[in-house]
Amino acid sequence: EIVLTQSPATLSLSPGERATLSCRASQSVGSYLAWYQHKPGQAPRLLIYDASNRATGIPARFGGSGSGTDFTLTISSLEPEDFAIYYCQQRNNWPLTFGGGTKVEIK
Amino acid sequence: QVQLVESGGGVVQPGRSLKLSCAASGFTFSTYGMHWVRQAPGKGLEWVAVIWYDRSNKYYEDSVTGRFTISRDNSKNTLYLQMNSLRVEDTGIYYCARDAGSLRIIRYFDSWGQGTPVTVSS
Repeated sequence: EIVLTQSPATLSLSPGERATLSCRASQSVGSYLAWYQHKPGQAPRLLIYDASNRATGIPARFGGSGSGTDFTLTISSLEPEDFAIYYCQQRNNWPLTFGGGTKVEIK
Repeated sequence: QVQLVESGGGVVQPGRSLKLSCAASGFTFSTYGMHWVRQAPGKGLEWVAVIWYDRSNKYYEDSVTGRFTISRDNSKNTLYLQMNSLRVEDTGIYYCARDAGSLRIIRYFDSWGQGTPVTVSS
C-alpha cells in the first residue's frame, strides 16, 4: 500500500496569503496524484488531477506540481472560502489511498 | 447537474449488517465507475471499494474484503454497499463518489455525495 504523508498538519494563514501544501508518497506514483478540498458537512471537491491539471471550474489560484514522490498544492492568494482541509490521493496502485490531510485555517 | 444521494446509514451493533444506497442523477450512470469512500470521526478520507461501470470488476480495501460487497443496478441508477460483520472501526461517514472516467476507470473522484453516517456500537 502506498502511504501518502501530508505536511504540515495545520497551516495558519490570513486571507490574501500564499498557501503551500506538501504530499509525499512512500514510493513513486508518477504523476498520478490528485488534490481535494473538504469542508465540514460538505462533499469533498476535486481540485487537481494528474499532479498539475485543474479540474473543471477550479479557479486559477489553485496550482499543483510535482512527480514521483513529492507533490505540492499551492493556493496563490487565499480567499475566505479556501479555508478547509485538503487531501492528496494517489491512483497509481490499488488500494487507492489518501493522505492524512492538511487543515488550512484562518490566522 | 450530477447528484449523488446516499441513504441507509444508522446505528448498528458490532457483528450486524447494514446496506447503504446511493441514488444517482444528472448523468448517464451506466457509463461511470462508482466508489465508496469513508471518513472515521476525526480522521481523514479512506477509499473503501470500486465497481466498474458494467460491473465487470470490483476492488476493495483490505480491511473490508470479505465483509463488504459493492454492487449496482444500472436500471435504477443506484449504487449499493452491503456491509456485514460490522466492527466498531467501521464507524464513520460513507460517501459515494463518481469515478472521473466515462467507460473507463480513472481512479479519481469527480463528484461526491453528502455522505450517510454509520455508527457501530454496542
